[in-house]
Amino acid sequence: DAMVIQNPRYQVTQFGKPVTLSCSQTLNHNVMYWYQQKSSQAPKLLFHYYDKDFNNEADTPDNFQSRRPNTSFCFLDIRSPGLGDAAMYLCATTGKGLFQPQHFGDGTRLSIL
Amino acid sequence: QKEVEQNSGPLSVPEGAIASLNCTYSDRGSQSFFWYRQYSGKSPELIMFIYSNGDKEDGRFTAQLNKASQYVSLLIRDSQPSDSATYLCAVNPPNDYKLSFGAGTTVTVRA
Repeated sequence: DAMVIQNPRYQVTQFGKPVTLSCSQTLNHNVMYWYQQKSSQAPKLLFHYYDKDFNNEADTPDNFQSRRPNTSFCFLDIRSPGLGDAAMYLCATTGKGLFQPQHFGDGTRLSIL
Repeated sequence: QKEVEQNSGPLSVPEGAIASLNCTYSDRGSQSFFWYRQYSGKSPELIMFIYSNGDKEDGRFTAQLNKASQYVSLLIRDSQPSDSATYLCAVNPPNDYKLSFGAGTTVTVRA
């Protein structure tokens, strides 16, 4: 059973056209993360939520926003996608307490035309 | 200095051999360590985690941790073609919910 679900698996958008990626989880985990991963690179953390507390990485572009309306759902909004934003976007969750592993969804592959 | 460093590879091993992957980390206070396997075009999949010095075995996988040397490794015994993937080492900095990832080591198992 999928525990961290990302939709869609593949997303194609036009240059400058806003796009929203979604993530849901059935684990009731407190912490949710969004990563960007480009080919042959490590995942790069964009932001994370601890419950409702939003934590933005210092180098995350302003073009990227996130919403977490409830424990189960988290969204990544890209306001004006550029060609450099084409990547795999990964959602992950982890439970309360340190030492907990992160569990990843299947990812959304974003292409920009 | 990068927080987490891995051998970039690629690492090519014959089927049935042992693949040895290494990872070093810079923050001495780090307390939890993870190995993820990532197939091409897929998301990372947790395969091992270790918190205490020493070895931890799970099937054909063994994780080894040496906090004094700030070193964590992954051994894959009896390597199979299905083990061909990129292996990411990830470390929790002290008192932090974030993970620092290494760049990954790509392993190819030759049939």
